[in-house]
Amino acid sequence: AQRVTQPEKLLSVFKGAPVELKCNYSYSGSPELFWYVQYSRQRLQLLLRHISRESIKGFTADLNKGETSFHLKKPFAQEEDSAMYYCALSGRETSGSRLTFGEGTQLTVNP
Amino acid sequence: DGGITQSPKYLFRKEGQNVTLSCEQNLNHDAMYWYRQDPGQGLRLIYYSQIVNDFQKGDIAEGYSVSREKKESFPLTVTSAQKNPTAFYLCASSPGTGSFYEQYFGPGTRLTVT
Repeated sequence: AQRVTQPEKLLSVFKGAPVELKCNYSYSGSPELFWYVQYSRQRLQLLLRHISRESIKGFTADLNKGETSFHLKKPFAQEEDSAMYYCALSGRETSGSRLTFGEGTQLTVNP
Repeated sequence: DGGITQSPKYLFRKEGQNVTLSCEQNLNHDAMYWYRQDPGQGLRLIYYSQIVNDFQKGDIAEGYSVSREKKESFPLTVTSAQKNPTAFYLCASSPGTGSFYEQYFGPGTRLTVT
């Protein structure tokens, strides 16, 4: 079975402060990890995926297989980063592209 | 914006009635998905389809049914057997069935059953 846990339902930081959204997973095979974001009144959309090893909107995430984590980080938060963030996992050994989502973290960046 | 559309945006039904939610995509994607989004629970997979005329149950399929007669369409029926149908329903599609594919989401349908 695969499982994704986001321990923080709510996270509040001030503009310019660093931010880290935590994600831990449980999966016995080779996982593909993603971060999806939902801004207010917009659709859920992909933010980044670990296989691309890219930085999007200043966010990065590193897959740590030893700690089974995929935390999302940004050194200087901006007000426009306020949104709901979901960590998601798909497994190469299971049914292809089906995703298991975490519970989500609502990030608020205060001015 | 096109891509993947869901209708209607809001839907109200009386308890005991079946209701069908529409999902259409013009992205030529092979795979389509239905999720349910509840506060504090994230997204949970109801059904998914990797190819026309084929679909699989997700984690919470009880009380729901789907069909995939056309590549571009994946309607979801919420039956009277679903014990707690009031929720926000999201449809998604992806280009293929590999685990690395991004999913593209529709705007969602909020269903209220009273």
